Amino acid sequence: DVKVTQSSRYLVKRTGEKVFLECVQDMDHENMFWYRQDPGLGLRLIYFSYDVKMKEKGDIPEGYSVSREKKERFSLILESASTNQTSMYLCASSVGQGVNGNTIYFGEGSWLTVV
Amino acid sequence: GESVGLHLPTLSVQEGDNSIINCAYSNSASDYFIWYKQESGKGPQFIIDIRSNMDKRQGQRVTVLLNKTVKHLSLQIAATQPGDSAVYFCAENGGSGYALNFGKGTSLLVTP
Repeated sequence: DVKVTQSSRYLVKRTGEKVFLECVQDMDHENMFWYRQDPGLGLRLIYFSYDVKMKEKGDIPEGYSVSREKKERFSLILESASTNQTSMYLCASSVGQGVNGNTIYFGEGSWLTVV
Repeated sequence: GESVGLHLPTLSVQEGDNSIINCAYSNSASDYFIWYKQESGKGPQFIIDIRSNMDKRQGQRVTVLLNKTVKHLSLQIAATQPGDSAVYFCAENGGSGYALNFGKGTSLLVTP
């Protein structure tokens, strides 16, 4: 089975802190994604990466950055956390170039609260 | 901008009945569609997918129907069970091939 592991399930951070959310996948997938999920808004794409050291902005990249130094690891960084970044963050991965016919697998999510 | 949407935010069905969850999409370039199930406190789990060159695909107890003419997607669950209670999301690729756009979700509640 594909495994997408998000290292932190629950985090509480203070406004202004730098926050790292780590994600690792064990299936040698080329594509990795970060979404945030908020009630009533569904899943919104923050950033994605289709190769090591490559990154593309999604729909809501402001306030976030990402890092993909190794194929299996995709990190989401909040440079200066704000309360409006309180949310559940979902990491995902898929094989190959693009998502057509290539299932996207999700991690269990990281619940971030910024106080 | 173009979006993916769901007709009903909540759906309550009795155990054993069939469930139908609907989804409308607006991007005519979308050619790949997926249904996900998300249980409380967990990440979305793949259920079934369909490409635009098909209008129906069946899995175990689930069927996805695609009507490209009216840009409509539905998920049918046969003999709904309590374990089917979850939020269901449709997603489409917007023709881009690199990322999925998700609808806002429909909550399915199965009552005994």
